[in-house]
Amino acid sequence: QKEVEQNSGPLSVPEGAIASLNCTYSDRGSQSFFWYRQYSGKSPELIMFIYSNGDKEDGRFTAQLNKASQYVSLLIRDSQPSDSATYLCAVSDRENTGTASKLTFGTGTRLQVTL
Amino acid sequence: DGGITQSPKYLFRKEGQNVTLSCEQNLNHDAMYWYRQDPGQGLRLIYYSQIVNDFQKGDIAEGYSVSREKKESFPLTVTSAQKNPTAFYLCASSIYPGGTGEQFFGPGTRLTVL
Repeated sequence: QKEVEQNSGPLSVPEGAIASLNCTYSDRGSQSFFWYRQYSGKSPELIMFIYSNGDKEDGRFTAQLNKASQYVSLLIRDSQPSDSATYLCAVSDRENTGTASKLTFGTGTRLQVTL
Repeated sequence: DGGITQSPKYLFRKEGQNVTLSCEQNLNHDAMYWYRQDPGQGLRLIYYSQIVNDFQKGDIAEGYSVSREKKESFPLTVTSAQKNPTAFYLCASSIYPGGTGEQFFGPGTRLTVL
């Protein structure tokens, strides 16, 4: 059974601070990693994906991947109240393009950005 | 605008009834998916389809059925055999073959069994 683990939170950070969200996964064969943001009552929205070890930056967001430790994280710099949401980590084991991507999701971390 | 639409947004069902949830996409994606989300839980895969007239069971397919007669459409039927159908249902699509694996979601349908 493939597992993706996240701390459910809530993670509370003050406005302007860096929020650090973490995710571990059990399948060492996992290839692709995704972060989704989900506002209460809404559907998930893709914000970042990463395949290679190291950091990937996109605006205020940085995804970090360490395959040896089976660990992926999301950093949100200059956190804003509008960042308050649940962040879902998702992992794909697709090794090639011959099959459709199947994602395993974590239960999400709820982030609260306080004024 | 390209995107995924789901209807209805809210659906109420009496016990013993079958209901069908609609999912349509105009992204020209070949792969489509159905997930279920319960409070405090992650998304769980019900069914997915890589191509027209083909679909595969996901992790929790019991009590559900799907069809894929058109590339744009992937309706989900929640049957009376589904023991606990009250949940938030999400449809997604992705590029296949090729692509980078990310999935894009519709707005969801919230089903409540009365």
